[in-house]
Amino acid sequence: DVKVTQSSRYLVKRTGEKVFLECVQDMDHENMFWYRQDPGLGLRLIYFSYDVKMKEKGDIPEGYSVSREKKERFSLILESASTNQTSMYLCASSSQLEEQYFGPGTRLTVT
Amino acid sequence: EDKVVQSPLSLVVHEGDTVTLNCSYEVTNFRSLLWYKQEKKAPTFLFMLTSSGIEKKSGRLSSILDKKELFSILNITATQTGDSAVYLCAVRHYGSSNTGKLIFGQGTTLQVKP
Repeated sequence: DVKVTQSSRYLVKRTGEKVFLECVQDMDHENMFWYRQDPGLGLRLIYFSYDVKMKEKGDIPEGYSVSREKKERFSLILESASTNQTSMYLCASSSQLEEQYFGPGTRLTVT
Repeated sequence: EDKVVQSPLSLVVHEGDTVTLNCSYEVTNFRSLLWYKQEKKAPTFLFMLTSSGIEKKSGRLSSILDKKELFSILNITATQTGDSAVYLCAVRHYGSSNTGKLIFGQGTTLQVKP
């Protein structure tokens, strides 16, 4: 079974802190994705990566950056957390033509 | 602008009812349409549809795609309380990096009452 894990299920941070969310997949997938999910807005793509050290902006990249130094690991970084970044963050991975497999999500609260 | 629209946004039914969830899309370079079920955790994959008119079926769930009219439906027959979830529709398209990004709809929240 494909497994996608995320470093934390729940996280509480203060405004202005730097926040790291990590995602690891064990299926040697080329593609990895970071989404945020908010009520009424569905899943929105923040960033994705199609290879090691390769990344591309999604629909809402502002305030976020990413890092992919190894194929199995994709990190989302909030350089200076703000309250409007309080959300559920979901990581996913996929091969080129397959469905995306999701991690359990990290519920981030910024106070 | 590419978009995926689901309807209704929420639905309340009783056990045993049949429900139909709708997903319409306007997406360039369409490749496939996917349905996911999300309970209070990660979305889990249900179906991937690439061809019009071919029904995919899994137990009480079935789905079909109409590429001419640009929509898909997800049917659930004889609903059970365990079907209560958010159902997500997503369309895969190919952009410049050829990664097959997904564009998600807002989701339909289904509540099945005993």
